[in-house]
Amino acid sequence: SQTIHQWPATLVQPVGSPLSLECTVEGTSNPNLYWYRQAAGRGLQLLFYSVGIGQISSEVPQNLSASRPQDRQFILSSKKLLLSDSGFYLCACARGRSSYEQYFGPGTRLTVT
Amino acid sequence: GQQVMQIPQYQHVQEGEDFTTYCNSSTTLSNIQWYKQRPGGHPVFLIQLVKSGEVKKQKRLTFQFGEAKKNSSLHITATQTTDVGTYFCAPYSGNTPLVFGKGTRLSVIA
Repeated sequence: SQTIHQWPATLVQPVGSPLSLECTVEGTSNPNLYWYRQAAGRGLQLLFYSVGIGQISSEVPQNLSASRPQDRQFILSSKKLLLSDSGFYLCACARGRSSYEQYFGPGTRLTVT
Repeated sequence: GQQVMQIPQYQHVQEGEDFTTYCNSSTTLSNIQWYKQRPGGHPVFLIQLVKSGEVKKQKRLTFQFGEAKKNSSLHITATQTTDVGTYFCAPYSGNTPLVFGKGTRLSVIA
């Protein structure tokens, strides 16, 4: 079964600083990969998804970007963080098509100060 | 685009009471998934419903998919403190990624 690794678990960053969150997946090949953000007590907002290496689809205009340099690696980045970027960032994978169940990583709690 | 409404937003119950959350879509769905997120944790897949009128059970949890494949419900019988968390539906309509509902946050008072 799939295992999703995310790090760091928590992060406190000042406004205007850069961001790089990494997600790696074990136990599956050619997965669909997803980045979600969850504000405190709120729902899941899909930020980016990828169906293959180098293929990124953006769901919401952000000062964030994503990259997939390897089949099982998904990176979320920002050049300059905003206060509104605070939240719980979750990486997820699905075996193949979007209709398959998603498996989530443990998440990164980002606080922008 | 696809609109998803999940109600209620919050539900507080006494331990032993039943609980139901509903998910309604503006479009006909290919399937629908349900997830549970414990406080401080990440969402965990519970089940997927595919067929019109489908009913699936997992111990005290009963999942239903409407005949028109536009709505679904999750019912928990005799809630326990271990049921605390947020329950999300995730409808899939076939041409976009999964869209998660806003979730129903369940609190269980012992």
